[in-house]
Amino acid sequence: DTAVSQTPKYLVTQMGNDKSIKCEQNLGHDTMYWYKQDSKKFLKIMFSYNNKELIINETVPNRFSPKSPDKAHLNLHINSLELGDSAVYFCASSHEGPYNEQFFGPGTRLTVL
Amino acid sequence: AQSVTQLGSHVSVSEGALVLLRCNYSSSVPPYLFWYVQYPNQGLQLLLKYTTGATLVKGINGFEAEFKKSETSFHLTKPSAHMSDAAEYFCAVIKAAGNKLTFGGGTRVLVKP
Repeated sequence: DTAVSQTPKYLVTQMGNDKSIKCEQNLGHDTMYWYKQDSKKFLKIMFSYNNKELIINETVPNRFSPKSPDKAHLNLHINSLELGDSAVYFCASSHEGPYNEQFFGPGTRLTVL
Repeated sequence: AQSVTQLGSHVSVSEGALVLLRCNYSSSVPPYLFWYVQYPNQGLQLLLKYTTGATLVKGINGFEAEFKKSETSFHLTKPSAHMSDAAEYFCAVIKAAGNKLTFGGGTRVLVKP
């Protein structure tokens, strides 16, 4: 009965490769998010989708492309991976509205060598 | 622009002692305020939130926080620390009219026996 799930949990890859991280939520939420947590634990939002539409797009390199095939899924594709992309990526979801709790997935630890 | 400052990246308390984690925010409009906890190798979990109404908010695991508009603060407290409280704690703010969570830098809590 996992609420927000992400795959894979760990991802180790070489510079220049293209990789994807998948996220699924079974909470019936309208809004999904991607966050990046760097090595100093700093958390920053990257993207947010509401009903499959992009509503937040922070200053993120265009090598990062989110895709939401339906309300329950928000995937993150990263092209031409760089060393600085190494981080933990968290998916989250919530009901629409600013005061609603965001439920976080367990994270995907991406290591670029 | 809004920002969140957490004073002290690390806090060490003895088991049974008071836990006090400080959070100050800057926002041009009244914000919604949140505290999240991150246990090792896990995603974030909501401890409590302030939206409107009573300024003293009670959350899970015995934590509470008080919104003080005059001090632009939302400090988190727990009267008696347990070993299980060892984790990273994040204060976050969202503008009432928006839906983008902005996180503080986090405070790591270490509980000594």
